[in-house]
Amino acid sequence: AQSVTQPDIHITVSEGASLELRCNYSYGATPYLFWYVQSPGQGLQLLLKYFSGDTLVQGIKGFEAEFKRSQSSFNLRKPSVHWSDAAEYFCAVGGMEYGNKLVFGAGTILRVKS
Amino acid sequence: GAGVSQSPRYKVAKRGQDVALRCDPISGHVSLFWYQQALGQGPEFLTYFQNEAQLDKSGLPSDRFFAERPEGSVSTLKIQRTQQEDSAVYLCASSSRTGAGDSPLHFGNGTRLTVT
Repeated sequence: AQSVTQPDIHITVSEGASLELRCNYSYGATPYLFWYVQSPGQGLQLLLKYFSGDTLVQGIKGFEAEFKRSQSSFNLRKPSVHWSDAAEYFCAVGGMEYGNKLVFGAGTILRVKS
Repeated sequence: GAGVSQSPRYKVAKRGQDVALRCDPISGHVSLFWYQQALGQGPEFLTYFQNEAQLDKSGLPSDRFFAERPEGSVSTLKIQRTQQEDSAVYLCASSSRTGAGDSPLHFGNGTRLTVT
């Protein structure tokens, strides 16, 4: 069973427009949630993480994400997208139910049109 | 160095050859992970080391895959008798804490393996 679902394979937005990337996880009473970004030929860079506390977390590059336990979701948002945000974005989940590892979604490719 | 370093950056192997992929984690990081990323997919867990101990190898796809971290720092992922389905990017990540539950992973740029 897939533990992390990113329903959108590709998303295209205009530069300056807002962005929301969706992420749902299957289970976990207290999941640890992450968003990573990967540019072509590069490793993964951490954008933000949620462990506990305030459900709205701020990250680097102007990104934020909101944890909604009732929906098992951790969607990534940005109010105004820049051309340099074009990349692939991965949601990941960890915690006791996932053992010693982070489990990643399949990723969402973001294209930015000028 | 400041980050996780992986070598080689690219590797082309003929089917049946053995390959060895190297990972230099961030100095002092306790935890080291190997992930496999197939084209168009997210990273899939292979194995986890805490210092020199391999605590989880549940993700290794077959007994052709072997990983070691003998001194608790540098790690090597070895694939014997490579097959075409082994073609992927192999990512190494390290963390200053044990496990991956509550600490972010620092990833290297990966080794792209192509088996012909």
